[in-house]
Amino acid sequence: QKEVEQDPGPLSVPEGAIVSLNCTYSNSAFQYFMWYRQYSRKGPELLMYTYSSGNKEDGRFTAQVDKSSKYISLFIRDSQPSDSATYLCAMVPQGGSEKLVFGKGTKLTVNP
Amino acid sequence: DVKVTQSSRYLVKRTGEKVFLECVQDMDHENMFWYRQDPGLGLRLIYFSYDVKMKEKGDIPEGYSVSREKKERFSLILESASTNQTSMYLCASTPKWARGLYGYTFGSGTRLTVV
Repeated sequence: QKEVEQDPGPLSVPEGAIVSLNCTYSNSAFQYFMWYRQYSRKGPELLMYTYSSGNKEDGRFTAQVDKSSKYISLFIRDSQPSDSATYLCAMVPQGGSEKLVFGKGTKLTVNP
Repeated sequence: DVKVTQSSRYLVKRTGEKVFLECVQDMDHENMFWYRQDPGLGLRLIYFSYDVKMKEKGDIPEGYSVSREKKERFSLILESASTNQTSMYLCASTPKWARGLYGYTFGSGTRLTVV
């Protein structure tokens, strides 16, 4: 079983839809969770960062962590064509680590 | 704004050539990384450096070497390029004190095609 599983998609939604992107993980030591957004032919950029369980909101984006289920989600409300990108989850164990563990990414297209 | 700069956005090289990919960061970060990214395979760590002249193999180091002579610069070397090294190469950095807890800063990537 891989440490982090992420559905690669592709996911295609109409503009204005609510998007749910998800990752599951197997290592219960993971405590810090991140979402990166990567536009085509660009490097990933950090989008959201959360610690342990709960929700964190930033504008149209909400990151949710459910440690009991080892499941993290990124919700995008009122999705826009500019949200079209690949979204990667990443995680770090308690105490930190030099090396992040990444999901493979989900490719999202928001159609006007 | 902090920056990780990769010297080339696109490169086309011939099989057997020695290829240098350069990465420079202006954040005084100790830790620097080279990844390759391929469809369906995600990010795969090639090499990691935690200080000048210090390096550690990642998950797929075969066919690659690295050089870190200065703190700000981390070079990836393909000793003899092969077509299976055609890929997107991403450099990243992070400060050692953060222990990865605040993520990495990535460069824009170098799309390498080996023909």
